[in-house]
Parts: sequence; C-alpha cells; structure tokens
Amino acid sequence: NAGVTQTPKFQVLKTGQSMTLQCAQDMNHEYMSWYRQDPGMGLRLIHYSVGAGITDQGEVPNGYNVSRSTTEDFPLRLLSAAPSQTSVYFCASKDRGTGELFFGEGSRLTVL
Amino acid sequence: KQEVTQIPAALSVPEGENLVLNCSFTDSAIYNLQWFRQDPGKGLTSLLLIQSSQREQTSGRLNASLDKSSGRSTLYIAASQPGDSATYLCATGSSGGYQKVTFGTGTKLQVIP
Repeated sequence: NAGVTQTPKFQVLKTGQSMTLQCAQDMNHEYMSWYRQDPGMGLRLIHYSVGAGITDQGEVPNGYNVSRSTTEDFPLRLLSAAPSQTSVYFCASKDRGTGELFFGEGSRLTVL
Repeated sequence: KQEVTQIPAALSVPEGENLVLNCSFTDSAIYNLQWFRQDPGKGLTSLLLIQSSQREQTSGRLNASLDKSSGRSTLYIAASQPGDSATYLCATGSSGGYQKVTFGTGTKLQVIP
C-alpha cells in the first residue's frame, strides 16, 4: 500500500516554463487536494477535487490548473512558472468517512 | 472563518520529560481534529485523528484530547525521546461539503539528549 505518491521530488524551472506535478493515491479516496507550504505562511490550499471530473479552487489557485480524470490521479499544472511559485507542494487525499488526511512526501519546486 | 493557533511556536525539552502541545480553534463546529508530525524536508505524517464526538485518542506514548466547547486540543507526549524532535501541526476539519481543513502553523519540538 503506497498511499499518496508525488513526483518529482525536486524540480528547478526557469520563469515562464511549464510543468506538471504528479499525484497518485491507491486508497480509492474520492477527495484529493494540493497544498503549498511556505515559511511563515503555513499550508495553503491550492485546488481540490471531490471525485473524478469534479475540481474546485482553494485559497491560492492563481497560476495553477488541475484536472481529475480518474479516482487515482490528481495532477497539478503550472502553465507559466513565476518565482512566486517557488515552494514545497503537497498532495493529499482524504477518507470521506473519517475525514482523515493522508499526505505525499512533497515536491520542492524552485523557479529562477 | 476558522482560525487555528498553536502556541508555543517552538519548544525545547530534555529527554524523558512529559510534554503537552496546545492547539486552539475559533469555530467549535468541527467534524474532526487531526494531529500531524512533520520532519524537516518531509511530508506530514498523521499521528492521531479525533472525531467531533470523541474526547481523546491514544497511540503508544501519544494522547490527544479534544474539548470542542473551549475550542482546544492537546497532544500529550510521554517520556519524550530525541526521535520525537519534529514540527507538530494540528488541523481541524469542518462539517459538510469538502470538510475544509484549517491548519495551525505548528510547534517545533526539540528533545535534547
């Protein structure tokens, strides 16, 4: 049981480049979400999904896109990276019944 | 809007000491409260989950309590060890819909050998 798996773990981008952070979970959770964690700001919700085909914005959605074509996968896309998007990104899935959150190991992104 | 506060932001204790970490929240209409541990450069590991109908949960040397009426939760760590050094975060889940989660900013614990 792998839980929540994120790739890549580290990435360096130049301003304006695009990339996709991958997230997969094997717990059959309907709820999945993306957070960013910055020093002094705590964890902030970027986008979330309550099931395949359903996504919604969180607190800080600008500059990010998501889609949810399967229950297992929830990729996060940066269309045109900016230095302000330098952060550590966490994907999480949630057990709908108990509300328990499970996190991936994180993806550290640096935008130059 | 739910606000979750953890005080102190940092704590240093000698090995073997029992300690309590605090978490307070402003809206008592929560679905659950979850305690996490985060090691440097790592993800968040779930420690304990307390449902709104429960008063406490225990796992090994950890005990978490919940008092919704006062908007407080505590995480008790017995006989602390250097391996307990990490940042501890609490998070409340709201009722309904997506069960929005609100995180505290954490308490960084250092256990000195």
